[in-house]
Amino acid sequence: GAVVSQHPSRVICKSGTSVKIECRSLDFQATTMFWYRQFPKKSLMLMATSNEGSKATYEQGVEKDKFLINHASLTLSTLTVTSAHPEDSSFYICSASRPASGGFLTYEQYFGPGTRLTVT
Amino acid sequence: GESVGLHLPTLSVQEGDNSIINCAYSNSASDYFIWYKQESGKGPQFIIDIRSNMDKRQGQRVTVLLNKTVKHLSLQIAATQPGDSAVYFCAETETGANNLFFGTGTRLTVIP
Repeated sequence: GAVVSQHPSRVICKSGTSVKIECRSLDFQATTMFWYRQFPKKSLMLMATSNEGSKATYEQGVEKDKFLINHASLTLSTLTVTSAHPEDSSFYICSASRPASGGFLTYEQYFGPGTRLTVT
Repeated sequence: GESVGLHLPTLSVQEGDNSIINCAYSNSASDYFIWYKQESGKGPQFIIDIRSNMDKRQGQRVTVLLNKTVKHLSLQIAATQPGDSAVYFCAETETGANNLFFGTGTRLTVIP
């Protein structure tokens, strides 16, 4: 269990257009979903935290008008990169969390496979 | 061999050797740590975790060591196999928190 999917896995778009990336928890309801960005040979950087039905919380330096997050249900969050530019090209990864069933943590996070965005 | 650094370091080991991957964390309040494995073009996969009241935890072929005094943890992989080739990240959080912060990562290459 605890599978997270992302769609699309790869997308190429032209500069100035907007791109939507979906993150779905397939077999559980996610309390919270997270969006990360990863540049080549770099670590994952948390962009924003989103809870179903409320506004996302963005990390410092992340433009909320540029990266629109909608968390419509407990199994779906979307990230829209608006007016994309080549510098937005990156690997975007989402994760979904749910209350832990045991062990150390209160919540457990499960990661999606990522979406490779290339802006030309 | 072992690897330390703030940039994405690389570590090459011979198949069958043991690997040691290091991570320095920054938040003194962090009390829970996870090691993830990320293969090319994929999301991170959970490997092993440890809580701050422990110094060591063992899994199958993997061991995590935690030194809270110097805010350092390491991942040891025994009898490294070609399938272990990937980038390894440590992540930290606080109990009750819902977010993770990732370390720099280390690229492990296993030479057959």
